[in-house]
Amino acid sequence: KQEVTQIPAALSVPEGENLVLNCSFTDSAIYNLQWFRQDPGKGLTSLLLIQSSQREQTSGRLNASLDKSSGRSTLYIAASQPGDSATYLCAVYNAGNMLTFGGGTRLMVKP
Amino acid sequence: ETGVTQTPRHLVMGMTNKKSLKCEQHLGHNAMYWYKQSAKKPLELMFVYNFKEQTENNSVPSRFSPECPNSSHLFLHLHTLQPEDSALYLCASSQDPTTALNTEAFFGQGTRLTVV
Repeated sequence: KQEVTQIPAALSVPEGENLVLNCSFTDSAIYNLQWFRQDPGKGLTSLLLIQSSQREQTSGRLNASLDKSSGRSTLYIAASQPGDSATYLCAVYNAGNMLTFGGGTRLMVKP
Repeated sequence: ETGVTQTPRHLVMGMTNKKSLKCEQHLGHNAMYWYKQSAKKPLELMFVYNFKEQTENNSVPSRFSPECPNSSHLFLHLHTLQPEDSALYLCASSQDPTTALNTEAFFGQGTRLTVV
């Protein structure tokens, strides 16, 4: 059974810092990996999708990498802003339409 | 706006009530999902439908009953729920990952359910 772990569980940084969120998974036979953002009480917003054959994806200040063989992904956020404060979720897609989530990293960026 | 719409956004129901959650997607996707998000727990997959057929039932109690009349609509029928069923229920859709390379999942805003 796939298990996804995210470290750290919570993170508080001053505005302007670059930061890295970590995600690890136990079963490397994945189709893709997706990073989401969730604001309190809201649904999930897709940030980046990395297919299993790719190493990284970039969108604006966000960069996600994937090392499938070691079961790891990182989400890099450059020049963090207070508006980046949210919970960031990592999810992996296995065969059979199985999207398995990690517990999330709760990020607070202080002005 | 993600293309996945859930109604209602908030629902309060008694333990003897029967209610339904609705999810609708206009993205042309073939797979739809129900997830449960409880406080301080990871999202839990409840049900998966692929081409209107249920392909996954993740040991969900029978008081939750899904229905997928077509590939654009998904329902979750609720009856005789317990207070511990209070949670955010999220619907998602994606292409069938066995046929498509890009299987990005899109989520609705969720229904906040409170069982009293």
